[in-house]
Amino acid sequence: KAGVTQTPRYLIKTRGQQVTLSCSPISGHRSVSWYQQTPGQGLQFLFEYFSETQRNKGNFPGRFSGRQFSNSRSEMNVSTLELGDSALYLCASSLEGKGAVDGYTFGSGTRLTVV
Amino acid sequence: AQSVAQPEDQVNVAEGNPLTVKCTYSVSGNPYLFWYVQYPNRGLQFLLKYITGDNLVKGSYGFEAEFNKSQTSFHLKKPSALVSDSALYFCAVRVHGGGKLIFGQGTELSVKP
Repeated sequence: KAGVTQTPRYLIKTRGQQVTLSCSPISGHRSVSWYQQTPGQGLQFLFEYFSETQRNKGNFPGRFSGRQFSNSRSEMNVSTLELGDSALYLCASSLEGKGAVDGYTFGSGTRLTVV
Repeated sequence: AQSVAQPEDQVNVAEGNPLTVKCTYSVSGNPYLFWYVQYPNRGLQFLLKYITGDNLVKGSYGFEAEFNKSQTSFHLKKPSALVSDSALYFCAVRVHGGGKLIFGQGTELSVKP
């Protein structure tokens, strides 16, 4: 079956611009989480969506936002980009069946470079 | 606060030798623990998880991990390392009540022929 698909793979933006990243989870998976990976801070949790509702949120400024659609696809948006937003953004999906604790399947990520 | 620590930034092993990548955790309640591997310019690949049950968990590519509640550790092991195992390894704990993973800082595993 198809894995988690993130688009685009690479992105170059200018400071002050905004950007939207997309994540298509594995078919049937209802939970989508987003992570930021940088050399200095490692992997940091941004937010998680489950059935179109934000269920968890990390410690990022309000410039970072997300949403989930009825087909479980998710987008994250970063407004007013800063140089420090340059990172690999990873999306992960999980089945989240009742009573189960599933592993998370990650996409290949979107490499965002802010110049 | 829940946290994960990987005390070694880098582990060097000769091919064919056993390997261990260390992980300790701090959580309230019973932990849900995971190991992931990351190859350059790629996402994370799931190796194994501990939810409950046997303390020795077997995963993908011959890896296993031992859960030790008294030492709050979840070390990743493999009996015989391969050069292709060279990658970045992450230990993670899942926060109860949601899909949030807290990751360790990662350990770079280098396996030399």
